[in-house]
Amino acid sequence: GQQLNQSPQSMFIQEGEDVSMNCTSSSIFNTWLWYKQDPGEGPVLLIALYKAGELTSNGRLTAQFGITRKDSFLNISASIPSDVGIYFCAGHPNSGGGADGLTFGKGTHLIIQP
Amino acid sequence: GAGVSQSPRYKVAKRGQDVALRCDPISGHVSLFWYQQALGQGPEFLTYFQNEAQLDKSGLPSDRFFAERPEGSVSTLKIQRTQQEDSAVYLCASSVGTSGGEETQYFGPGTRLLVL
Repeated sequence: GQQLNQSPQSMFIQEGEDVSMNCTSSSIFNTWLWYKQDPGEGPVLLIALYKAGELTSNGRLTAQFGITRKDSFLNISASIPSDVGIYFCAGHPNSGGGADGLTFGKGTHLIIQP
Repeated sequence: GAGVSQSPRYKVAKRGQDVALRCDPISGHVSLFWYQQALGQGPEFLTYFQNEAQLDKSGLPSDRFFAERPEGSVSTLKIQRTQQEDSAVYLCASSVGTSGGEETQYFGPGTRLLVL
């Protein structure tokens, strides 16, 4: 099935560093979402973006909905150990989410070195 | 409970065996989704219910996969004659309604299926 192109595949960073990851698609999505998944758990929503060009923050997390509606990025500032996990982008065809399946990227593994 | 729950959390099946995976959505949530997550991959959409109606099953990989939600709450994903390629994490998600707007999908912890 279709998946979004997410990069990088993995990141090894020092505690306190900033993190940036992005997601691209060949088709348009009208909603972009960023999830975090910890081992043995389901994905948890971090940030939802509903409008092209929108920039949204949630604490140390900032995400933007690309103006072309074919890309999004997520930044994490001043990383801490609990940021470790797998981050997924997801796209939805409708504006505002709704009752359709999400299309996910393959994930970015964030590893924080002591 | 407060969130989406799934059972069993782990299932080991012999090839050819039938399995049934259960999802308890958040109480009152109209929409329910099933996803399949292979190792090292993102979740992939399988099927969607609005109350008891299965409105989209375009992601089901074969006719061995069957899902139901007879009373509009609990859902069961059944896999008949399991194959090794069915080994994956099966995630269930639910959302409040269907009217669009900010419909967040809340995910359960998943059922890890291993077919030997």
